[in-house]
Amino acid sequence: AQTVTQSQPEMSVQEAETVTLSCTYDTSESDYYLFWYKQPPSRQMILVIRQEAYKQQNATENRFSVNFQKAAKSFSLKISDSQLGDAAMYFCAYRSPIRAGNDKIIFGKGTRLHILP
Amino acid sequence: DSGVTQTPKHLITATGQRVTLRCSPRSGDLSVYWYQQSLDQGLQFLIQYYNGEERAKGNILERFSAQQFPDLHSELNLSSLELGDSALYFCASSATIGVSNTEAFFGQGTRLTVV
Repeated sequence: AQTVTQSQPEMSVQEAETVTLSCTYDTSESDYYLFWYKQPPSRQMILVIRQEAYKQQNATENRFSVNFQKAAKSFSLKISDSQLGDAAMYFCAYRSPIRAGNDKIIFGKGTRLHILP
Repeated sequence: DSGVTQTPKHLITATGQRVTLRCSPRSGDLSVYWYQQSLDQGLQFLIQYYNGEERAKGNILERFSAQQFPDLHSELNLSSLELGDSALYFCASSATIGVSNTEAFFGQGTRLTVV
């Protein structure tokens, strides 16, 4: 069964600095999808960034980028120039390929990010 | 606005009761997922439906059941409620892989409080 592990329950970063959130996953599939979601205090789930496993290039969305290491099954999120609005719970998620019979999406337990002014 | 609608937003009920949570997916999305999030916890996958059929099951209790209707809306039924069932229940929808988007779009959630 696929699993997603976020080993950092909480992290803090100074405003304007850079922070990296870690995520590892376990799968026997070669083709899958990875995501980072943000959950602010409003509890709304917001997609931050997505990565297709077949793409070697790391995804980037403005201040957010990932370091995707397929062999190591690692998918970290880097937030540059941290802003107060980045304070939230961040979840790493894995989506199975549809040919596996289902394409369920599994989430890690989350990392709570604090931004220090 | 994600395009996924969940009703009701809040629900308070007593132990032993039964409730139904409703989800309308984004237009055109065939997959619906249900998740449970207890206080300050991660998202526990409950169940997935695709075009009316159950696709995958997670750690869903026997007291819980779900279905997806021909118009693609879905309902999650929770029965014999216990205090520990108090949580935020999310519905998410997604397009079939191979179409443009691969991520799940989430509703605002239903906050269930069992007293």
